[in-house]
Amino acid sequence: EIVLTQSPDTLSLFPGERATLSCRASQTVGNNYLSWFQQKPGLAPRLVIYNAYNRATGIPDRFSAGGSGTDFTLTITGLEPEDFAVYYCHQHAYSPLTFGQGTKVEI
Amino acid sequence: QITLKESGPALVKPTQTLTLTCTFSGFSLTTEAVGVAWIRQPPGKALEWLALIYWDDNKWYSPFLKGRLTITKDTTKNQVVLIMTNTDPVDTATYYCAHTAGWLSDHWGQGTLVTVSS
Repeated sequence: EIVLTQSPDTLSLFPGERATLSCRASQTVGNNYLSWFQQKPGLAPRLVIYNAYNRATGIPDRFSAGGSGTDFTLTITGLEPEDFAVYYCHQHAYSPLTFGQGTKVEI
Repeated sequence: QITLKESGPALVKPTQTLTLTCTFSGFSLTTEAVGVAWIRQPPGKALEWLALIYWDDNKWYSPFLKGRLTITKDTTKNQVVLIMTNTDPVDTATYYCAHTAGWLSDHWGQGTLVTVSS
């Protein structure tokens, strides 16, 4: 099983600031099949980034991501009020598929 | 437009069997490389992947729950069913189903909260 460790657990920022979220895998994520989901209270997770750096449909370009192997990053440049949420990284390279524990981006 | 909706009991007693149904539209489970996954989230906790069934009836399960889970599909009804046996209070969670392309779950249902309690 690939364990995903996200840091930090909580990120306290103001609107307009930059958020940098990290996800570290216990083993290499094959084909960089690492994605990021955004989840707001009471709602289902929403795909933000897939395959390490591709923005999902409808995701604004203030969201960017990168990384490879075992280290991945999600960056939100110029936080908007609607960006405050919990973000999960997710590897879909090997079964069992796994998720990180989440990073909460709060005001 | 891809949509999925989970349904099932809101409350089950410990040791009972839980049956959840995912009803979907906007895609077919006869299309190559398409699948439906189940993922759950205990209150206030992280996401946990449970199971996945593909268009060709290939099935994958979480090894931590493998003996308790069964996933099936009915392509005529556009439904996927997840059965979990011998439930326990730790199985209390919101259960999501998701359209999966390749291995990526890109469209999720709204989720259904299941409480396991006597």
